Amino acid sequence: RKEVEQDPGPFNVPEGATVAFNCTYSNSASQSFFWYRQDCRKEPKLLMSVYSSGNEDGRFTAQLNRASQYISLLIRDSKLSDSATYLCVVGGQAGTALIFGKGTTLSVSS
Amino acid sequence: NAGVMQNPRHLVRRRGQEARLRCSPMKGHSHVYWYRQLPEEGLKFMVYLQKENIIDESGMPKERFSAEFPKEGPSILRIQQVVRGDSAAYFCASSARPDSYEQYFGPGTRLTVT
Repeated sequence: RKEVEQDPGPFNVPEGATVAFNCTYSNSASQSFFWYRQDCRKEPKLLMSVYSSGNEDGRFTAQLNRASQYISLLIRDSKLSDSATYLCVVGGQAGTALIFGKGTTLSVSS
Repeated sequence: NAGVMQNPRHLVRRRGQEARLRCSPMKGHSHVYWYRQLPEEGLKFMVYLQKENIIDESGMPKERFSAEFPKEGPSILRIQQVVRGDSAAYFCASSARPDSYEQYFGPGTRLTVT
């Protein structure tokens, strides 16, 4: 079983759509969880951290279910500029290496 | 406020040559991580360094690869006798403190081995 698994997609959606990405991780001792965004093989950029209580940043909502070892990202009212690869990322203790999923590709069209 | 800087951005080497990749962390950051992204693959951790110390090199290939982060100057990832399979994007990330969960990435060095 891979350490972090994501549906690779691609997800092709029209502008204004709501899209959800899912991710599972294998190490129950994981302590930190993130969604990163990567455009055209450029550097990954932190989109948001993910907490058990859930967190929202504008059109983006992230959820963590530790019992199921499951992480989600919801994007509402998709914009053309949301087209990118979304990386589910899991870490251990602070200061340790991050484990990346292979990413889910989103393409938003007009 | 300069971010993480990496150079060169693109590097072409022939098989058997050496590649040196440099990373300057964000100002005030003293923890550096190197990751490799092979074509069509996710990022994979290679090594974690603090100034003058290698903290975790569990992701480094056993041969030909080495890394350092001297007291002065950038962190260096060195690949000796490169092979075609080393062609990849190499990303450096930095964090401010050992108890920081967040890592900030540089633009990467794209290594092509011909």
